[in-house]
Amino acid sequence: NAGVTQTPKFQVLKTGQSMTLQCAQDMNHEYMSWYRQDPGMGLRLIHYSVGAGITDQGEVPNGYNVSRSTTEDFPLRLLSAAPSQTSVYFCASSPGWGQGGNQPQHFGDGTRLSIL
Amino acid sequence: AQSVTQLDSQVPVFEEAPVELRCNYSSSVSVYLFWYVQYPNQGLQLLLKYLSGSTLVKGINGFEAEFNKSQTSFHLRKPSVHISDTAEYFCAVVSSASKIIFGSGTRLSIRP
Repeated sequence: NAGVTQTPKFQVLKTGQSMTLQCAQDMNHEYMSWYRQDPGMGLRLIHYSVGAGITDQGEVPNGYNVSRSTTEDFPLRLLSAAPSQTSVYFCASSPGWGQGGNQPQHFGDGTRLSIL
Repeated sequence: AQSVTQLDSQVPVFEEAPVELRCNYSSSVSVYLFWYVQYPNQGLQLLLKYLSGSTLVKGINGFEAEFNKSQTSFHLRKPSVHISDTAEYFCAVVSSASKIIFGSGTRLSIRP
């Protein structure tokens, strides 16, 4: 029973490098999202998707791209890493948004990213 | 716009003592409310949720929360805490057709 799987768990990048954070879920959930967690700021929504082929911006989308080619996968791309993107990144999924958001989120264990 | 405020960033309590973690929200429409727990180096897990109906909601690990519409609060309580409850707790709110908003978190530390 894997749930939401994030890879890698840890990553160190140099400023200007690009990389992709992977997220996969095996629960056939329609809704997937990416958050970043910074001390004292809770979780902030980066991008989300309500189904394959549909994505939208969250609260802090700048510097990140996403795509949703399958129901299972929702990768997050950092185009040109900056020190301000040092954070812990969480992917989450839920069964759907059609009922107005009353479904709880299922979270992965996070990716700890450091940008030097 | 909706928002969530967790009034305490840290709450230290002694083992077997009661605890209350406070959460207030603002929204002009009806909302769904959630409490999540995050153990060290893990993702968030659902503790409990309020969707409708009874204002007292019971969750896992002996936690409960009470929805108070007039005070726009959703405080989390446990009558007797254990060392294993040491974690960070997040309140979250979502209204119809809106994105989920998380509070800034409350770190609960249990002293033996």
